[in-house]
Amino acid sequence: NAGVTQTPKFQVLKTGQSMTLQCAQDMNHNSMYWYRQDPGMGLRLIYYSASEGTTDKGEVPNGYNVSRLNKREFSLRLESAAPSQTSVYFCASSEGGGGPRAHTFGSGTRLTVV
Amino acid sequence: AQSVTQPDIHITVSEGASLELRCNYSYGATPYLFWYVQSPGQGLQLLLKYFSGDTLVQGIKGFEAEFKRSQSSFNLRKPSVHWSDAAEYFCAVGPPNFGNEKLTFGTGTRLTIIP
Repeated sequence: NAGVTQTPKFQVLKTGQSMTLQCAQDMNHNSMYWYRQDPGMGLRLIYYSASEGTTDKGEVPNGYNVSRLNKREFSLRLESAAPSQTSVYFCASSEGGGGPRAHTFGSGTRLTVV
Repeated sequence: AQSVTQPDIHITVSEGASLELRCNYSYGATPYLFWYVQSPGQGLQLLLKYFSGDTLVQGIKGFEAEFKRSQSSFNLRKPSVHWSDAAEYFCAVGPPNFGNEKLTFGTGTRLTIIP
């Protein structure tokens, strides 16, 4: 099983450029998440989706948008990138259906905004 | 609001020595508890989880964790570390509420193994 697949693995953007980070899972999970990881701050939730067609803001949603395209795919869009968005981004999924479940993580996208 | 504290930013242990990584949480009820490991350049992998029942939980790679309600702690232990255990370790908590699936992560503990 591929699990959770993220693309791209690395990206460099100029300030003001836009891009979409893609995420797909093949485990038939209901819930999907986007986190950012910054040194000394652990993982912080950007957005999450409990099911197809629903999304909810996390701890740090400003500057981001998401789309739950179908059950498998959950994309994260930066409309106008800023240097503060330089980070490692992780997509994750879980079974859902009530109560917190263990997450399965992708391998991450390292984004640099210059 | 729930929170997780990992007091140790960085720990260095000799290969073959025992290990304990600390995790304290703040929450009104007993939360769901998780430990994850992240190797350099990789995503996070689940080591173990606690939902209810036996307070000593066994995980993968020889790790175990003990839930102590009185101390609001969920410390990770391993009797004898291997060089391959060098990584960053994250504790996470989730509220035991139906429909709330969000996890809160600690800031992580980096583990260095010396020969």
